[in-house]
Amino acid sequence: GENVEQHPSTLSVQEGDSAVIKCTYSDSASNYFPWYKQELGKGPQLIIDIRSNVGEKKDQRIAVTLNKTAKHFSLHITETQPEDSAVYFCAASETEKLTFGTGTRLTIIP
Amino acid sequence: GAVVSQHPSRVICKSGTSVKIECRSLDFQATTMFWYRQFPKKSLMLMATSNEGSKATYEQGVEKDKFLINHASLTLSTLTVTSAHPEDSSFYICSAPHRGGFEKLFFGSGTQLSVL
Repeated sequence: GENVEQHPSTLSVQEGDSAVIKCTYSDSASNYFPWYKQELGKGPQLIIDIRSNVGEKKDQRIAVTLNKTAKHFSLHITETQPEDSAVYFCAASETEKLTFGTGTRLTIIP
Repeated sequence: GAVVSQHPSRVICKSGTSVKIECRSLDFQATTMFWYRQFPKKSLMLMATSNEGSKATYEQGVEKDKFLINHASLTLSTLTVTSAHPEDSSFYICSAPHRGGFEKLFFGSGTQLSVL
């Protein structure tokens, strides 16, 4: 089955700076790679996703890049703000059954 | 985006009792829903796939008789934790795919179960 590794597990970034979270996956059949943001005591919220036929996707301050050959994808958050503080999960799948990474706790320092 | 509603958000129960958690897709129909379990500071672990009109599919190691799943309609799935014990205490989250082009998963807000 699919195995997704995520790094780093914790990340502290000065407000206004950029944050990058990286994930690798094992199953070359995976073709869908979403990113979720989870705040304390809440369910994950989809923030951006990418399909394997695209190398990069951007939505305002958030971007995701995918290297299908190397089987890794990354989340980039620019101009970070305090409200970006949360736990971020990457995931990979070929179907609706997602395999999640282990999560990254992002803390934005004011 | 699509809305998935989950209730209750928090429940405290005595050991040995059963607890039912509801998951509703509010503005779309979902023939499939997924139930996850999340331990503190850990990732989401898929427990089972709920299928409307048929039996749920459970992941390896998940007890079918302990975690009863019913997908009664195209907008409602329920998870019942039967004879709950303290080790069942956890954060339970449901999700449903919204087929808007790509099959994006939208999650409920989660249920924190505490068994005394």
